[in-house]
Amino acid sequence: EAGVAQSPRYKIIEKRQSVAFWCNPISGHATLYWYQQILGQGPKLLIQFQNNGVVDDSQLPKDRFSAERLKGVDSTLKIQPAKLEDSAVYLCASSPGLAGNSDTQYFGPGTRLTVL
Amino acid sequence: GDSVTQMEGPVTLSEEAFLTINCTYTATGYPSLFWYVQYPGEGLQLLLKATKADDKGSNKGFEATYRKETTSFHLEKGSVQVSDSAVYFCAQTHGSSNTGKLIFGQGTTLQVKP
Repeated sequence: EAGVAQSPRYKIIEKRQSVAFWCNPISGHATLYWYQQILGQGPKLLIQFQNNGVVDDSQLPKDRFSAERLKGVDSTLKIQPAKLEDSAVYLCASSPGLAGNSDTQYFGPGTRLTVL
Repeated sequence: GDSVTQMEGPVTLSEEAFLTINCTYTATGYPSLFWYVQYPGEGLQLLLKATKADDKGSNKGFEATYRKETTSFHLEKGSVQVSDSAVYFCAQTHGSSNTGKLIFGQGTTLQVKP
């Protein structure tokens, strides 16, 4: 079965510009996650969707970050305007169930963002 | 709040050596515990997991036991190979919510030399 797809794989932008990332989860997976991984650190959850509803966005900087999951399938994460500290790898993950604690999350390859 | 602490890396071993990567957690409630691995140039992959106290997760010769009394989930392998070179992340679900949200440690780089 196809894994989690993300695009683009790499993006370089100037600070104050905007950028968008796209994620296509594994077919049939109800729950989708976006994580931010800063170099040398573990991933940190930004937002979690269950179908097309938000479960947790407590760590999403809502003044500049936004995300949506239309029709409960694909998702986009947007940053506007970008800051230097947003340089990181943005990981998308999906899990089959309705957000349970024993569910395995399957990760995409990530998008590496560099803000200059 | 809930958090995960891993031993500092990098860890450098010779092939066939014994591996231990320490991981401790703090949690309210009853988290599930995971080890994820990131091979060079690849995405995060689940290595093993344990969902309750005293459970042992195992895969590819790696194993870890959920120790509630010491709040630990140390990763072990009896004989490492060069192909095990990767970054290993310990993670827990948030203890008091049942959303599946993962909290990761900072990662430990393992380098195995022939």
